[in-house]
Amino acid sequence: QSVLTQPPSVSGAPGQRVTISCTGSNSNIGTDYDVHWYQQLPGAAPKLLIYINNIRPSGVPDRFSGSKSGTSASLAITGLQAEDEADYYCQSYDSSLSAYVFGTGTKVTVL
Amino acid sequence: QVQLVQSGAEVKKPGSSVKVSCKASGGTFSSYAINWVRQAPGQGLEWMGGIIPIFGTANYAQKFQGRVSITADESTSTAYMELGSLRSEDAAVYYCAREGGVTGIFDYWGQGTLVTVSS
Repeated sequence: QSVLTQPPSVSGAPGQRVTISCTGSNSNIGTDYDVHWYQQLPGAAPKLLIYINNIRPSGVPDRFSGSKSGTSASLAITGLQAEDEADYYCQSYDSSLSAYVFGTGTKVTVL
Repeated sequence: QVQLVQSGAEVKKPGSSVKVSCKASGGTFSSYAINWVRQAPGQGLEWMGGIIPIFGTANYAQKFQGRVSITADESTSTAYMELGSLRSEDAAVYYCAREGGVTGIFDYWGQGTLVTVSS
């Protein structure tokens, strides 16, 4: 049972903008712990997509952006492309569990 | 470029143990934590625990306390995850992931090791 909740799925047509929410609580995101995002393509290992809430690693297109406010965070994909079809996970730290925690995951479908 | 290469797929019987390895190359092994994350079929990611090789002390998710052991061998730049008392629910892909310069960022991942638990 993950402590970070994401919508199971989001979809959009090529070129559109989609957002994925990550809802936590005062023991994780709300305690100012950073949020990181990972992209997992089918059959592959997760890949770091956004770190410390809104920073893109080298090589990640600027179509991907992150934000954080209160006990939630969001990942936005603008100019959606077919290659963005994947599962996306948020991740943070939970002080009550003394553990790193992942979101429930969101499948992005490009229509 | 940092690379994490994991050992191959395993088939284990319920009640037995499995030990998965994760060999690092291309970076400074000892100073960065290696974490283990698993993913059951069709499910999400679950953090199991991690270790900083230079310190040698591992920390574990409460769920796995007493059943998992994470170790590291600095001489071979290899981390290990051993899970005991296997049950069917432990069938999953197990990933190792390096924790980068800032705590909590998993910047490099292994390719994953499939563990099947079947009698």
